[in-house]
Amino acid sequence: QVQLVQSGAEVKKPGASVKVSCKASGFTLTSYYIHWVRQAPGQGLEWMGGINPSGGSTAYTQKFQARVTLTRDTSTGTVDMKLSSLRSDDTAVYYCARENPGDGSPFDIWGQGTVVTVSS
Amino acid sequence: SYELTQPPSVSVSPGLTASITCSGNKLGDKNVCWYQQRPGQSPVLVIYLSTKRPSGTPERLSGSNSGNTATLTISGTQAMDEADYYCQAWDSGTAVFGGGTRLTVL
Repeated sequence: QVQLVQSGAEVKKPGASVKVSCKASGFTLTSYYIHWVRQAPGQGLEWMGGINPSGGSTAYTQKFQARVTLTRDTSTGTVDMKLSSLRSDDTAVYYCARENPGDGSPFDIWGQGTVVTVSS
Repeated sequence: SYELTQPPSVSVSPGLTASITCSGNKLGDKNVCWYQQRPGQSPVLVIYLSTKRPSGTPERLSGSNSGNTATLTISGTQAMDEADYYCQAWDSGTAVFGGGTRLTVL
């Protein structure tokens, strides 16, 4: 079964960092870009950035450029998202999503989401 | 930066047709995707390449895109269609989402 499985919920204090993992199952990770999208409580979807697991190249939206790092481990089929200098407004559900190449590059597979709570 | 604008909410009676719009500058020149998100669930792709349905998307969902507006149309709306819907397009290597539209089936 083709799916993305994310790591569990996290609670962090302001100023700390968080790492969320996303493991590919049923497909070869290096054949697809993986992106991260977050959703604050009651809000819409917000793209953070993406990674090419094959070469490791990354792209980030300007808003998160200084605080987010995407890495991949092709041996385990996992992509990690690290967000640093956490603030209360980083409290959100974080999703990883697979970009299907061609066909307009839609996000065709989504992880189950990881809740990150930032609170003192 | 590129922006996509959606109405916050749309209401429809069961069995009727609902239309959800997504507006952006020269959006008709881009490929648009639509995602359905039910409460507490992850988004699901329902339309790609502006008009195509992935396997599993009911035929009553259709998409169009011209000029500055893309539209998701749901014909014969059912209670199970009640959800949030997001449009998305790519602009200069950046994925852009609309603000989302809550579809209420009254």
